[in-house]
Amino acid sequence: QKEVEQNSGPLSVPEGAIASLNCTYSDRGSQSFFWYRQYSGKSPELIMSIYSNGDKEDGRFTAQLNKASQYVSLLIRDSQPSDSATYLCAVNGGSYIPTFGRGTSLIVHP
Amino acid sequence: DAGVIQSPRHEVTEMGQEVTLRCKPISGHDYLFWYRQTMMRGLELLIYFNNNVPIDDSGMPEDRFSAKMPNASFSTLKIQPSEPRDSAVYFCASSSPNHPLYGYTFGSGTRLTVV
Repeated sequence: QKEVEQNSGPLSVPEGAIASLNCTYSDRGSQSFFWYRQYSGKSPELIMSIYSNGDKEDGRFTAQLNKASQYVSLLIRDSQPSDSATYLCAVNGGSYIPTFGRGTSLIVHP
Repeated sequence: DAGVIQSPRHEVTEMGQEVTLRCKPISGHDYLFWYRQTMMRGLELLIYFNNNVPIDDSGMPEDRFSAKMPNASFSTLKIQPSEPRDSAVYFCASSSPNHPLYGYTFGSGTRLTVV
């Protein structure tokens, strides 16, 4: 059974700090990796995707992928209170249908 | 584009009643997914369609659940009869025909409460 594991949190960081969110997965054949942000009472919103080992940067967000260790992470630089949300990791295997983690709750306090 | 449109936004019904949730995917997307989200179980895939054809319904919890996609712009998820344990947020999502790997666009969801 394909599994995607995330620490449920909450992860609490001060405004301006770097928030680091981690995700591990069990399927070594996984090909695509996604991070979604979900505000309370809202639907998940795709914020980052990554397909090859290494880092991918988009503004204040950096996704990191290490296939050998089977983990993917999301770094948020200069965290803002508006970043407070639940972050869902999703992993696509060969079926192209992603398996979602349970999400990590992030709280950025002023 | 208006995005993925779901209706109703909220539904409160009595146990035993039939519930129908509706979804309009993004035009041109040929994958459509129905998810259910609860605090206990997180986001669960119920069923997905490709070109209006159901591909995998192994996530549908029971025979009380059924889903249809009569055309490329409309899908329904029906629960009959509904039970309190069906209370959850139900999301519909669609994805690009050329890049099914490139993530989904979710609708706003339907919050279902069965009393």
